[in-house]
Amino acid sequence: QSALAQPRSVSGSPGQSVTISCTGTTSDVGRYAYVSWFQQHPGKAPKLMIYDVTKRPSGVPDRFSGSKSGNTASLTISGLQADDEADYYCCSYTARFTYVFGTGTQVTVL
Amino acid sequence: QVTLKESGPALVKPTETLTLTCTFSGFSLDTGAMRVSWIRQPPGKALEWLARIDWDDDKFYSTSLKTRLTISKDTSKNQVVLTMTNMEPADTATYFCVRMSSYSSFDPWGQGILVTVSS
Repeated sequence: QSALAQPRSVSGSPGQSVTISCTGTTSDVGRYAYVSWFQQHPGKAPKLMIYDVTKRPSGVPDRFSGSKSGNTASLTISGLQADDEADYYCCSYTARFTYVFGTGTQVTVL
Repeated sequence: QVTLKESGPALVKPTETLTLTCTFSGFSLDTGAMRVSWIRQPPGKALEWLARIDWDDDKFYSTSLKTRLTISKDTSKNQVVLTMTNMEPADTATYFCVRMSSYSSFDPWGQGILVTVSS
């Protein structure tokens, strides 16, 4: 099972919006509405930001939103803030009853 | 408040078997739709899902690692145990356990435990 493809890095200025893509296949992202996104600051455990493609856990700002089209899921961060600078990973359920993570994207706030 | 904490050896030798314990509180693995997964992250690399155990004792494993992994639960102790056989240096990683309340809700995560494989 190959990792989901994410851009290595994205950047934006404070207040801007950035979008991170997560490309899989018809056996994972394209097949199920079970895509999640995680934020990870250096040396910390990942934090769930989005699950079930579009849902936000309690406490996650509505600046974070998720979507999916075909085999590609996306995470959009609006109103970029300094604390959003972190690594972001997507994850999808797969047809083999397993999970596959993305390659990870480093978000830089300029 | 839901918490999870991983415990186990920080250092194992090549070919040895690794046993990690996830001790949790704030929920029960007897409850329908509750699940616990193990996920690892080699230093500087991406996350990798390893295994999942469900409230009804269903178990699922990474396709590439399934011959080396065993996951089990002890509901009386609120613990989930992961064993990985035949450890090698490439298995050096931080290992996390995480609660799942749905198929894609991995939340919250334990703090992780760094396991180094070296002779």
